Amino acid sequence: KAGVTQTPRYLIKTRGQQVTLSCSPISGHRSVSWYQQTPGQGLQFLFEYFSETQRNKGNFPGRFSGRQFSNSRSEMNVSTLELGDSALYLCASSSGISAGRADEQFFGPGTRLTVL
Amino acid sequence: GQNIDQPTEMTATEGAIVQINCTYQTSGFNGLFWYQQHAGEAPTFLSYNVLDGLEEKGRFSSFLSRSKGYSYLLLKELQMKDSASYLCAPLNTNAGKSTFGDGTTLTVKP
Repeated sequence: KAGVTQTPRYLIKTRGQQVTLSCSPISGHRSVSWYQQTPGQGLQFLFEYFSETQRNKGNFPGRFSGRQFSNSRSEMNVSTLELGDSALYLCASSSGISAGRADEQFFGPGTRLTVL
Repeated sequence: GQNIDQPTEMTATEGAIVQINCTYQTSGFNGLFWYQQHAGEAPTFLSYNVLDGLEEKGRFSSFLSRSKGYSYLLLKELQMKDSASYLCAPLNTNAGKSTFGDGTTLTVKP
């Protein structure tokens, strides 16, 4: 069974640009969650998508958005990039059978975004 | 919301035992995950506790006390490869998601 894949693995952008990151979950998994990880802030939850609908959302500004396709693949978009957006962006997939129940998350390798 | 507190750094010797503590305050608690994350890599699942008590899995064990809002991860017979960050993540049923602590960076020395 293939694991979670994320593309691209590394990305360099400049302030003001926008970026789209992609995540393909494990086959059969319907839930995809996105996290931002920085050295000072740890893992911060961005949002979760399940069956093409945003099911949960963290405390990030509207510049951060996402979507999920019918094949469960998800994309995350960040518009008007700021220097502080430099981070490792991780996606995690799970079966998502029941929101709130214990559902092990499998993480992808992440996309390291650098904003100059 | 929820607050999660775990030590920032710990150091231990190869072959020893180390206990990483985590205290949390959360509404709608429905269990707690521990993840391991090596530098530059994604987190990987270690354990999940929903009932009070100790869950043992090889060299790793995890303990939970729901009434105290407390968990710990116990690592025995430490190996150099155990040097990593260990993340405590309580599951909040109301929010439908886990929130991660900042992690404890464990360094294992020869």
